[in-house]
Amino acid sequence: DVKVTQSSRYLVKRTGEKVFLECVQDMDHENMFWYRQDPGLGLRLIYFSYDVKMKEKGDIPEGYSVSREKKERFSLILESASTNQTSMYLCASRGGARKGNQPQHFGDGTRLSIL
Amino acid sequence: QKEVEQDPGPLSVPEGAIVSLNCTYSNSAFQYFMWYRQYSRKGPELLMYTYSSGNKEDGRFTAQVDKSSKYISLFIRDSQPSDSATYLCAVGGGRNFNKFYFGSGTKLNVKP
Repeated sequence: DVKVTQSSRYLVKRTGEKVFLECVQDMDHENMFWYRQDPGLGLRLIYFSYDVKMKEKGDIPEGYSVSREKKERFSLILESASTNQTSMYLCASRGGARKGNQPQHFGDGTRLSIL
Repeated sequence: QKEVEQDPGPLSVPEGAIVSLNCTYSNSAFQYFMWYRQYSRKGPELLMYTYSSGNKEDGRFTAQVDKSSKYISLFIRDSQPSDSATYLCAVGGGRNFNKFYFGSGTKLNVKP
């Protein structure tokens, strides 16, 4: 079974802080993703990475950055946290194209509150 | 227009009922269709994954894709209280290999 692990289930931070959310997968997947999930808005893609050190912006990248130094680990960074970034953050991974057409597998999420 | 539309519910059914959950999508280029189940305060869990039109069955769950109508369905037979969750549909496989589009989820409550 695919295992995607997010380091924190709940996190409370203050406005203006730099926040790091960490995600690790154990399936040697090339592709990793960060989404945020808000009531009524569904899942929105923030960034994804298709290889180590490679990244692409998703639909809502403003205020976020990412880091992928190792294949199994993908970090989401809130450069200067703001209250409108309070949300559920979900990490996902999937195999690359050469492994066939694979679905995404999700972690359990980090519920982040910015005060 | 959203890429995927899904009725948010909530949908409340008695235990043992057959449940039908549905989504429509806008782009005929999508090739992959998924259903996820999400319990409260947990991440989405993959339930079904299909690549083509037609039906795919897994236990009490059947996923159905109608590409001509751009319509996908999930049927749950003999529903159980443990099926109470939010169900998300997702589509992908368009121009960008890594772009998936998710419905906003249908909340299902199965009453004992």
